[in-house]
Amino acid sequence: EVQLVESGGGLVQPGGSLRLSCAASGFTFSSYEMNWVRQAPGKGLEWVSYISSSGSTIYYADSVKGRFTISRDNAKNSLYLQMNSLRAEDTAVYYCARVAWLQLFLDYWGQGTLVTVSS
Amino acid sequence: SYELTQPPSVSVSPGQTARITCSGDALPKQYAYWYQQKPGQAPVLVIYKDSERPSGIPERFSGSSSGTTVTLTISGVQAEDEADYYCQSADSSGTYDWVFGGGTKLTVL
Repeated sequence: EVQLVESGGGLVQPGGSLRLSCAASGFTFSSYEMNWVRQAPGKGLEWVSYISSSGSTIYYADSVKGRFTISRDNAKNSLYLQMNSLRAEDTAVYYCARVAWLQLFLDYWGQGTLVTVSS
Repeated sequence: SYELTQPPSVSVSPGQTARITCSGDALPKQYAYWYQQKPGQAPVLVIYKDSERPSGIPERFSGSSSGTTVTLTISGVQAEDEADYYCQSADSSGTYDWVFGGGTKLTVL
C-alpha cells in the first residue's frame, strides 16, 4: 500500500525557517517524481515544487522561488522541503504527492502537515 | 503561467446530474485532471487525461473536453459526492508549470 506521511509542520515566526519531511513507503520511491502542494486555510490548492526521480531536475512556483528548497534522499525514501524567510501567506497545509508514472497528475497524496507563520 | 477558471459553487439534488466546468486557454493543448477533496482530507484523483477514470472511482464520474473547457460530470449525484472539486493541468514542455483551478464546492441539496 502506497503511503506518504508528512511531518515537520508547526508554528513559526515571520522570517523563520522550517523543514518538512515526507516519508514514503509501499512503492519504489526512487522511480517516481514528487511534488509539494499547499492549501491555505479555506482556500484552494497551490502547486509549490517538483523534483524528478533522481533529484536532478527541480522546479518551483514563483511564489516560493528563492526561499524554498526541495530535495530527496532515495536511500531513505524521503522527500523534503526546506522553507526559509517564511511569510504569513505561506500559512497552509503542505501535502507531498506522488506524480503518476510518466504522467502529469498526482496519484497519491499524504495527509498533509500544517505550517502556521505568525508572530 | 496560465489560469484555470472554475465556478465557485454548484448545487444539485440527489439523483440529479452535476456538471462542473474548468476553462483555460491551455486546455486544447494539455490534458486536464480532476480531484475530489472532502473536508479535512487530502485530494483524491477522480478523472485523468480529460476523461479517464481511475480504478475504484464510481462510474457516475465522467469527464469531457471541448476546446478551452473541460467538464466533470457526476450522474446520479449522491450525498457522499458533496465535496470540493479541483481541475488541474500541467505543461512540462518548458518550465514545468502545474496549475490548479480555484475549486468548485459541490453541494447536494
